Amino acid sequence: DVKVTQSSRYLVKRTGEKVFLECVQDMDHENMFWYRQDPGLGLRLIYFSYDVKMKEKGDIPEGYSVSREKKERFSLILESASTNQTSMYLCASSLLDTYNEQFFGPGTRLTVL
Amino acid sequence: SQQGEEDPQALSIQEGENATMNCSYKTSINNLQWYRQNSGRGLVHLILIRSNEREKHSGRLRVTLDTSKKSSSLLITASRAADTASYFCATREGFKTIFGAGTRLFVKA
Repeated sequence: DVKVTQSSRYLVKRTGEKVFLECVQDMDHENMFWYRQDPGLGLRLIYFSYDVKMKEKGDIPEGYSVSREKKERFSLILESASTNQTSMYLCASSLLDTYNEQFFGPGTRLTVL
Repeated sequence: SQQGEEDPQALSIQEGENATMNCSYKTSINNLQWYRQNSGRGLVHLILIRSNEREKHSGRLRVTLDTSKKSSSLLITASRAADTASYFCATREGFKTIFGAGTRLFVKA
């Protein structure tokens, strides 16, 4: 059974903290994605990666960075968390062919106080 | 407005009824995908329809695509309470998948 896992389902952090969200997939997928989901705005792409150590900015990369040191793991980093980064964060992966379906993790609901 | 906009935003029906959701998009596509999201969870891929297809079926799901109108519809027949979820259409724009804001479907038992 294919699987994308995220390190936490719920996370509460304070403003200014550095936050790490981890995502692991076991499908040997080349592509990995980080989205945030907010009511009324749908899913917005933060960053994606198509290979180890490769990354591309999505639509809303400001305030975020990513790391992909191994093929199966893609980390999202909030350098200095702010209240406007309170959101649901979704990780996804897919095969390299860009027309393939994406497989999503269960999401991390992050609250920044 | 965004690529891949769903209509209606919310839909409430009785169990056993059919549910129809619509999606409009702006640019040319190679395929269009539909995803489901249960409350507070990740998205699950339902079905993909290619630009040269007009209709596709998968179990109780029927998807149509009209490239001349840049629109697609998702029909769920004989709905069940377990179909309660948000449904998103998604299209490709370069290397990115663009998701709409979704239709929230509530099926009453």
